[in-house]
Amino acid sequence: GAGVSQSPRYKVAKRGQDVALRCDPISGHVSLFWYQQALGQGPEFLTYFQNEAQLDKSGLPSDRFFAERPEGSVSTLKIQRTQQEDSAVYLCASSPALQIQAYGYTFGSGTRLTVV
Amino acid sequence: AQSVTQLGSHVSVSEGALVLLRCNYSSSVPPYLFWYVQYPNQGLQLLLKYTSAATLVKGINGFEAEFKKSETSFHLTKPSAHMSDAAEYFCAVSDLGANSKLTFGKGITLSVRP
Repeated sequence: GAGVSQSPRYKVAKRGQDVALRCDPISGHVSLFWYQQALGQGPEFLTYFQNEAQLDKSGLPSDRFFAERPEGSVSTLKIQRTQQEDSAVYLCASSPALQIQAYGYTFGSGTRLTVV
Repeated sequence: AQSVTQLGSHVSVSEGALVLLRCNYSSSVPPYLFWYVQYPNQGLQLLLKYTSAATLVKGINGFEAEFKKSETSFHLTKPSAHMSDAAEYFCAVSDLGANSKLTFGKGITLSVRP
């Protein structure tokens, strides 16, 4: 597609519910990142994929967070047993390069998760 | 560890006035620096980036930024603000590694008065 597509755009979950957030990167993009953006804050790194390999998951806040990219294209961020502090916008970004400095990367519009 | 400081959370200028958004970084290695803009309910859009070439970087929509190593700064400027510039602006830093994750500042909201 022309850009990074994320779905759903908005998600309301009851506390304790599991959620799955989807990211469709730009076709052919090797690198894929997930960021979490709390209200009034800058995005914070969650995890990074190079093709299907998850090379860095140091930013995942707890073992309730899990991400996958099984075929090296679409990625899913799953949050189990959601808590109120998980409420945030989850941003996905992709890049054609292994090193983003040459190209930067393209962000999706995000999924706004509200846990009630 | 790398970090970015954006002083102040809100800047207000009149239409046609100079825009100056400040960013200072902390990095133990030569950094790559970025400015992103975020419009309401949208993702982040790259304005410009510094990758160790020219220290004065020109970006989209008339914005530019100057890398000053001695001041560890990468301030964003635009000579004449337009109403459409009203948005949130984020400065970010990255290192040279293949896992080129970005570390963002907290962001600055720019308001433009008619």
